[in-house]
Parts: sequence; C-alpha cells; structure tokens
Amino acid sequence: GENVEQHPSTLSVQEGDSAVIKCTYSDSASNYFPWYKQELGKGPQLIIDIRSNVGEKKDQRIAVTLNKTAKHFSLHITETQPEDSAVYFCAARTINQAGTALIFGKGTTLSVSS
Amino acid sequence: EPEVTQTPSHQVTQMGQEVILRCVPISNHLYFYWYRQILGQKVEFLVSFYNNEISEKSEIFDDQFSVERPDGSNFTLKIRSTKLEDSAMYFCASSDRGTNTEAFFGQGTRLTVV
Repeated sequence: GENVEQHPSTLSVQEGDSAVIKCTYSDSASNYFPWYKQELGKGPQLIIDIRSNVGEKKDQRIAVTLNKTAKHFSLHITETQPEDSAVYFCAARTINQAGTALIFGKGTTLSVSS
Repeated sequence: EPEVTQTPSHQVTQMGQEVILRCVPISNHLYFYWYRQILGQKVEFLVSFYNNEISEKSEIFDDQFSVERPDGSNFTLKIRSTKLEDSAMYFCASSDRGTNTEAFFGQGTRLTVV
C-alpha cells in the first residue's frame, strides 16, 4: 500500500521568510496530493491540492510542486505570517477508485515567529 | 459555508464500554470516512463508506468497529468494548463525487478511555 514520508517534522522560521515542506510517496498509482493545515484542537483543513497531470499550483502565498518521476511533492509558503503557525500534513490518494483512503504523512509543525 | 459536524466534541468512557461517535456530512456528499489521530501522531485512515456499504477499510478497522448511516443525514462510528489504546481524536470526513475530490473534515471527537 501507499506510504507517505514527510520532512521536516518541525520547522521554525522568522516572519516574512519562506517555508518548504517535502513529502515522498511510494505508490506510483497515487494521483491526488492534498495538503492540510491543522490548528490546535481543530480538524485538518485543506489548503491546496494538486493532481498528477499538473506540475505546480499556486494560490496566493502557497504553492505546491509535484515530481511524479521522483515521487515527491512539496509545499512552499512565502512571506510567512504568525497565523501560518500550525501542523501541516501532506497526503496521497488514488482518485480513480471510489472512496479510496487518504494516506497522510506524519506532519510538520511550523512555527513562525514575529 | 457547508461543513462536516461531529458530536460529541469530547467523550469519556470506561474501558469495555461501547461508544457511538456521530457525524453529519456535507449534505450533497456521497463518500464518507472515519480517520483517527492518536495524540501527537499522524492522521490514520479507518474506513470509507459509499452507497450504504464499506468501500475500503484499514487494518485498524477490525471487528471492534462498525459504521452505519442510519438515516439520510447521520454517519456513525461504533466502537465496541473500548480499550485504553482507542483513546484518540476521531475525525469524520466527506467528499463529493466527480471532479471535486477534496475531503472535508469535521472538528473531531476526542475519545478518552479510562
């Protein structure tokens, strides 16, 4: 089955700096890669996703890149702000099957200091 | 904005008791999921449900667990004979069919087995 590895486990940056979180996956059949942000005491919230027919996707300060050959994908946050502090999870799923599970990475705790 | 709602937010139960965790998915969604997150660890897939039956389940989802959609709106997770190691945050999620494959998560139910 699918296995998702995520690095780093913790990341501390100064406000305004960029943050990069990297994930690798094992199942070449996976073709949907979402990123979730989890704030303390809340459920995971989707912030951006990418499908395997796309190499990069941007949404304001957030971007995700995907390298299908190498089976890795990354989250890039630019101009970080204190409210970006949270746990970020990458995940992988095969979307051509009904209800297939999201397999999550172990998470990255991002701390943005002002 | 539509959201997944879960009740209760926190459930404390004695070891060996049965618990039922409740979820109301987003109304036009067809796929329903349960995930769990042990404190400080990654989110783990338990089960997916579509068309009134389980479509996929993980190794964690053994005979102790069952899911049900008792009516048109609720989706429940029953845990029989709870164990200490069942203590975790349980998240319900739902997703739409077709091109919209995002999974929306609820706020979670914190289950504490004592």
